[in-house]
Amino acid sequence: NAGVMQNPRHLVRRRGQEARLRCSPMKGHSHVYWYRQLPEEGLKFMVYLQKENIIDESGMPKERFSAEFPKEGPSILRIQQVVRGDSAAYFCASSGTVRADTQYFGPGTRLTVL
Amino acid sequence: GESVGLHLPTLSVQEGDNSIINCAYSNSASDYFIWYKQESGKGPQFIIDIRSNMDKRQGQRVTVLLNKTVKHLSLQIAATQPGDSAVYFCAENTPDSSYKLIFGSGTRLLVRP
Repeated sequence: NAGVMQNPRHLVRRRGQEARLRCSPMKGHSHVYWYRQLPEEGLKFMVYLQKENIIDESGMPKERFSAEFPKEGPSILRIQQVVRGDSAAYFCASSGTVRADTQYFGPGTRLTVL
Repeated sequence: GESVGLHLPTLSVQEGDNSIINCAYSNSASDYFIWYKQESGKGPQFIIDIRSNMDKRQGQRVTVLLNKTVKHLSLQIAATQPGDSAVYFCAENTPDSSYKLIFGSGTRLLVRP
């Protein structure tokens, strides 16, 4: 029973490039959450999605960041025109169908912007 | 700002001793709490959770205590082992927060051999 999968595990981009982070939830989970973590800090919520719907994007910057969870395939967090301040670990979590269900996290993607 | 915070950023314990990690939360409407363990370079790993209709829950070597009166949460680890060395986060969820978890800043647990 595979857990939450994320790829790539490490991503290096130059300023101005685009970063695409992928997340496949646990089998049977239909809720996906993206969090960002800076070194030595806790995780900060970015966006919550269900299949083909963004439910809550209150933690996501208004510009350059977007997320999707299509009917088929993984969830994608997209960062356009990356800046050095985007360097962080990005974690995806998934949960089952009820509110306040346990969220299980993937291994994360560590983004470095040069 | 964050509604969840921790009293001690680093906790050092002797192998075999019990560890207690504390967490304060400010939102009295929070009704679900989770403890996660995060090892270096890895994602948060679920340890134990508790809902607000309980004040204590036990797992394997771990116990979570919830005191809603003072809005305090603690994680107790019995017979701490070197493999317990990690950063521990508490997280809360409120009914109107659309499932998102609010994380504390974390406590680093160091286990001395």
